[in-house]
Amino acid sequence: GDSVTQMEGPVTLSEEACLTINCTYTATGYPSLFWYVQYPGEGLQLLLKATKADDKGSNKGFEATYRKETTSFHLEKGSVQVSDSAVYFCALTSGTYKYIFGTGTRLKVLA
Amino acid sequence: DSGVTQTPKHLITATGQRVTLRCSPRSGDLSVYWYQQSLDQGLQFLIQYYNGEERAKGNILERFSAQQFPDLHSELNLSSLELGDSALYFCASSPEPPTEAFFGQGTRLTVV
Repeated sequence: GDSVTQMEGPVTLSEEACLTINCTYTATGYPSLFWYVQYPGEGLQLLLKATKADDKGSNKGFEATYRKETTSFHLEKGSVQVSDSAVYFCALTSGTYKYIFGTGTRLKVLA
Repeated sequence: DSGVTQTPKHLITATGQRVTLRCSPRSGDLSVYWYQQSLDQGLQFLIQYYNGEERAKGNILERFSAQQFPDLHSELNLSSLELGDSALYFCASSPEPPTEAFFGQGTRLTVV
């Protein structure tokens, strides 16, 4: 069945460091891919998405490119801030109409 | 604000009891999803409803059940509660075809 694998955390970075959180997927057909963010005590919010191969999703300085050849959707940010500290989830949806989530990666950014 | 409303926000109950969690989806969304998030765990998909009918089932225990009503709100019923059922329960809704899922703030269930 469909699945999402993302790198384990926690990831601890200093402010202004570069961030990459790896995400790979297995799916039949052509899934849509998402990154969600969960701040402490809150629900999940959509961060960015991509619906077809080579699409680049971007928001709030975060980017991810839908790579069909490597079945990947890695999340990147050039310069992280303390306010980016949160848990990040990679997810997909395909013909089954379910949203499949990775296990989440906790990011902690130190001032 | 995602437009998805979950009540209650917090719930504390004893083992063996039964509780009902409620979810109102975004206006116009026909699909509702329920997820369980335990401490330091990812999101476990429980069940999906579409326009009142069960569409997909995940790792939902037999002690748990859900339904979606004609006004599209959904309820998740948890019975014979155990300590291990303590978790955050999220509801999400999506349009059709699904572009993205919109999440509620969750219900934090504590079983004592």
